[in-house]
Amino acid sequence: AQKITQTQPGMFVQEKEAVTLDCTYDTSDPSYGLFWYKQPSSGEMIFLIYQGSYDQQNATEGRYSLNFQKARKSANLVISASQLGDSAMYFCAMPPYNTDKLIFGTGTRLQVFP
Amino acid sequence: ETGVTQTPRHLVMGMTNKKSLKCEQHLGHNAMYWYKQSAKKPLELMFVYNFKEQTENNSVPSRFSPECPNSSHLFLHLHTLQPEDSALYLCASSRGGRDTEAFFGQGTRLTVV
Repeated sequence: AQKITQTQPGMFVQEKEAVTLDCTYDTSDPSYGLFWYKQPSSGEMIFLIYQGSYDQQNATEGRYSLNFQKARKSANLVISASQLGDSAMYFCAMPPYNTDKLIFGTGTRLQVFP
Repeated sequence: ETGVTQTPRHLVMGMTNKKSLKCEQHLGHNAMYWYKQSAKKPLELMFVYNFKEQTENNSVPSRFSPECPNSSHLFLHLHTLQPEDSALYLCASSRGGRDTEAFFGQGTRLTVV
């Protein structure tokens, strides 16, 4: 069965600095994808970025990029030039084999300070 | 403006009450989901609907009863809940497929007293 692990319950970063949020996964699925979501205090889960296991290059979306290391089964989210509005919970997720539902990690609470 | 709208945003109900949560999506998606987010626990999938048909029930107690009258609307009917059912209930929709992102509503914060 798929398993998603986020080992950092909380992270602090100063405004304008970069931060890396860790995510490791365990799957026997030959083809899979990983999603990152942001959940501000308002509760809504906001999609940030997606990486497919067969994508040749690491995904990037604005200030978000994925440091995808397939051999290590890790898909870390890098946020560059942090902003105060980046303070939120961040979740890594992936769908189990042959489904389109999502299994989520436990999340990392990021706090950006001035 | 979110493409997935949930109402109400907050709900307090007694254990003997019956209430319903509503979710509506304006994105033309075919798949809709209910997730439960309890304090200090990962999001848990509850139900999946594809083209109005329930395709997954993740061993959810029968006091939670979903309804999907069409691809745009999803309900979660609640009755005789327990205090441990207090949580944030999130609705999501997607085009379906493993490489497509799900879009979430803002959730309903439910408190059972």
